Amino acid sequence: EVQLLESGGGLVQPGGSLRLSCAASGFAFSSYAMSWVRQAPGKGLEWVSAVSSGGGSTYYADSVKGRFTISRDNSKNTLYLQMNSLRAEDTAVYYCAKDQAGHGGVIVIFDYWGQGTMVTVSS
Amino acid sequence: DIQMTQSPSSLSASVGDRVTITCRASQRISSYLNWYQQKPGKAPKLLIYAASNLQSGVPSSFSGSGSGTDFTLTISSLQPEDFATYYCQQSYSTPFTFGGGTKVEIK
Repeated sequence: EVQLLESGGGLVQPGGSLRLSCAASGFAFSSYAMSWVRQAPGKGLEWVSAVSSGGGSTYYADSVKGRFTISRDNSKNTLYLQMNSLRAEDTAVYYCAKDQAGHGGVIVIFDYWGQGTMVTVSS
Repeated sequence: DIQMTQSPSSLSASVGDRVTITCRASQRISSYLNWYQQKPGKAPKLLIYAASNLQSGVPSSFSGSGSGTDFTLTISSLQPEDFATYYCQQSYSTPFTFGGGTKVEIK
């Protein structure tokens, strides 16, 4: 059974940093691209970032480029999102999501999602 | 960036109704269009990928169509468990944008 378990969310002050983790199990993690998608309270979904299966290619939304860094450790089956210079508008539930197809590039069709971790940026 | 516009933003329907949701891309995206269902407090669920392909385990009452810029999600006979918010998402080019969502409510 595919499982994605996010952690690392919490309350942080504007300008602060946070690192999210997503522990994956039940599939060959190193063969699939992964993404982070967020949802502000009461709002729609926003794709944040994606990383290829090997970690060599990364993609970012303009709203987080230069502040967030996606990475992965395939030996630990874990996806990360390092978030720096956080702003109030970064407040959201952050989901990690698995690409549907493996052994290729980033296709951003998300067939499995985690339960999400809440990030609140406030003073 | 490619903008995804869904309509309507909300609708009220009864069990058994046929429901159609539309999604329009600001530029041509071939068939790189996916549909998700989200219930309150839950993660989204993939329904349709590549415009018209039903994800494994999804009821056949869901179907998708379209290519280029105009796409539709159809629920042929609305069931109680289908009341949710639906999102389209383009996977054609980065940033991989979502539509604003369509909330399907009980009439």
